[in-house]
Amino acid sequence: DAGVIQSPRHEVTEMGQEVTLRCKPISGHDYLFWYRQTMMRGLELLIYFNNNVPIDDSGMPEDRFSAKMPNASFSTLKIQPSEPRDSAVYFCASRSSGALDTDTQYFGPGTRLTVL
Amino acid sequence: GDSVTQMEGPVTLSEEAFLTINCTYTATGYPSLFWYVQYPGEGLQLLLKATKADDKGSNKGFEATYRKETTSFHLEKGSVQVSDSAVYFCALSAPRGWGKLQFGAGTQVVVTP
Repeated sequence: DAGVIQSPRHEVTEMGQEVTLRCKPISGHDYLFWYRQTMMRGLELLIYFNNNVPIDDSGMPEDRFSAKMPNASFSTLKIQPSEPRDSAVYFCASRSSGALDTDTQYFGPGTRLTVL
Repeated sequence: GDSVTQMEGPVTLSEEAFLTINCTYTATGYPSLFWYVQYPGEGLQLLLKATKADDKGSNKGFEATYRKETTSFHLEKGSVQVSDSAVYFCALSAPRGWGKLQFGAGTQVVVTP
């Protein structure tokens, strides 16, 4: 399996622009998680899905952030409008509730977002 | 709520030295415990895990034992290599918590030749 795939790997944009981050989970995984990593706040869970349904979005910092999962193999995290304080590395992770290692999350390589 | 506390870094050691990274947790019930490793420019990878008290997780020469009595899951390696330079994260997954991970702040380890 190719693992969790994220795109783009790097994104540089200007303040006020819309940013869309993409994630393809491991095939067969029914949970998908979005995290943000910064030096100041460490790893933060933003939102997670089970069978494409958002379960908990309490970690989403504000209304400028939104996430969707239209099908089992694709999710997006959108920031509109973006601000410099959104600069971070965004990770997507997935796991399978039916696997032997059901409690293990598998992470993508991350998207490094820089908002100027 | 659930939380994980791990020692601050950076931890700098010489090759072949002994490594210990302390991790303690607060949680209700019996969480699963994990160590993840992040190499420069990469995502997190599972290093090892333990799902019940007194379990020992091990991988690539690293070990950690789930200690319920001290609520700890300290990571150890007897002889580190330069390639072990990375950031190490302790994490827990609470029972009936939908598999959410609560991470510690991470500990950077730098191994010098």
